[in-house]
Amino acid sequence: DAKTTQPPSMDCAEGRAANLPCNHSTISGNEYVYWYRQIHSQGPQYIIHGLKNNETNEMASLIITEDRKSSTLILPHATLRDTAVYYCIVRGRGTNTGNQFYFGTGTSLTVIP
Amino acid sequence: EAGVAQSPRYKIIEKRQSVAFWCNPISGHATLYWYQQILGQGPKLLIQFQNNGVVDDSQLPKDRFSAERLKGVDSTLKIQPAKLEDSAVYLCASSFGVSYNEQFFGPGTRLTVL
Repeated sequence: DAKTTQPPSMDCAEGRAANLPCNHSTISGNEYVYWYRQIHSQGPQYIIHGLKNNETNEMASLIITEDRKSSTLILPHATLRDTAVYYCIVRGRGTNTGNQFYFGTGTSLTVIP
Repeated sequence: EAGVAQSPRYKIIEKRQSVAFWCNPISGHATLYWYQQILGQGPKLLIQFQNNGVVDDSQLPKDRFSAERLKGVDSTLKIQPAKLEDSAVYLCASSFGVSYNEQFFGPGTRLTVL
């Protein structure tokens, strides 16, 4: 079962920052926060992941609260191509069978021209 | 670098028929995953292979679904017999290993069961 809660949908104006929230209040100390996105009719695509420090890459930034119970994915300058469903996933590492990716239903982000 | 390949892209069958999907992962990726994605939902893991061994098949409906990964490269997922509720997109993904962060997904096979 998904261990995260996300709003079902959000809108963002093109060129503005898109801030996608995720609650994961039951996260345990060895579990990471992952973000994937799925553009219509494509397979999911990895965006970023983090444990407790903020992370940034060429696609996005991930801000994790100090208590690790929530996080925010930031797309700094949203474009129309960023319209997709964004999944926040909490997962441990290692070979345990419990370390699956539970995608949930995600947040459908629509970037508006 | 070539991505994860899947075929066919679309398949329409009648209930009680059988169907098979094929996946070719990224070269060198030891871990292969099959997911089922029903319309409006996120992908759900069906089975996970590490090389040619099964790591997790706890959510695979074993009475009708089967999967194999002979020689630890290509994989086939079969449904026999199909039910209406099997209509979904079947996604294959691969990664370097079980603990690696990034899974690379193929385009999926859209199955419609009539």
